[in-house]
Amino acid sequence: EAQVTQNPRYLITVTGKKLTVTCSQNMNHEYMSWYRQDPGLGLRQIYYSMNVEVTDKGDVPEGYKVSRKEKRNFPLILESPSPNQTSLYFCASGMTDPSNTEAFFGQGTRLTVV
Amino acid sequence: SQQGEEDPQALSIQEGENATMNCSYKTSINNLQWYRQNSGRGLVHLILIRSNEREKHSGRLRVTLDTSKKSSSLLITASRAADTASYFCATGGAQKLVFGQGTRLTINP
Repeated sequence: EAQVTQNPRYLITVTGKKLTVTCSQNMNHEYMSWYRQDPGLGLRQIYYSMNVEVTDKGDVPEGYKVSRKEKRNFPLILESPSPNQTSLYFCASGMTDPSNTEAFFGQGTRLTVV
Repeated sequence: SQQGEEDPQALSIQEGENATMNCSYKTSINNLQWYRQNSGRGLVHLILIRSNEREKHSGRLRVTLDTSKKSSSLLITASRAADTASYFCATGGAQKLVFGQGTRLTINP
């Protein structure tokens, strides 16, 4: 089954404790992205990757890191989480084909930083 | 950054009725997509309409696009309880999607 898998689905952590949210896709997509969703602010892109070893900042990259060592994986790293990073996070992937720009989303990771 | 706004922000109708949601955007586009999000879960792609198309159908969904007004609408016909969700329009592509704020649709039995 074609899917984007995020882990964990729920996470409660304390300020300053490094964490990683994993994302994996099995569709051989070139593009992968991370978004956060907040009430009143909607979905905003954090980082994206066009292919292996190619990453770039989205609209809200501060406090986050990413890596793309393999095509299927795109982990999101919070080196020192803060309460303002409490949010619902989504990983997404898609193809480079301009005639098919549909994005596939993971189920989300609800992160709470206390 | 938010590409546009959706209207209404919330919509509550009876099962069997039609639901119409509107989306406005700010810049020129190649295509516009609609996604559905069940409460707290991932977004699911519903339909894509290209800038040279005016109307597109998929099952009970009908999407229109008016590039002169920079607006789109999503019509869901014969609504069902399972249609209860938030609906988002988005512009851009898989590299980066820019979403509207969404319409929260509730279907009452």
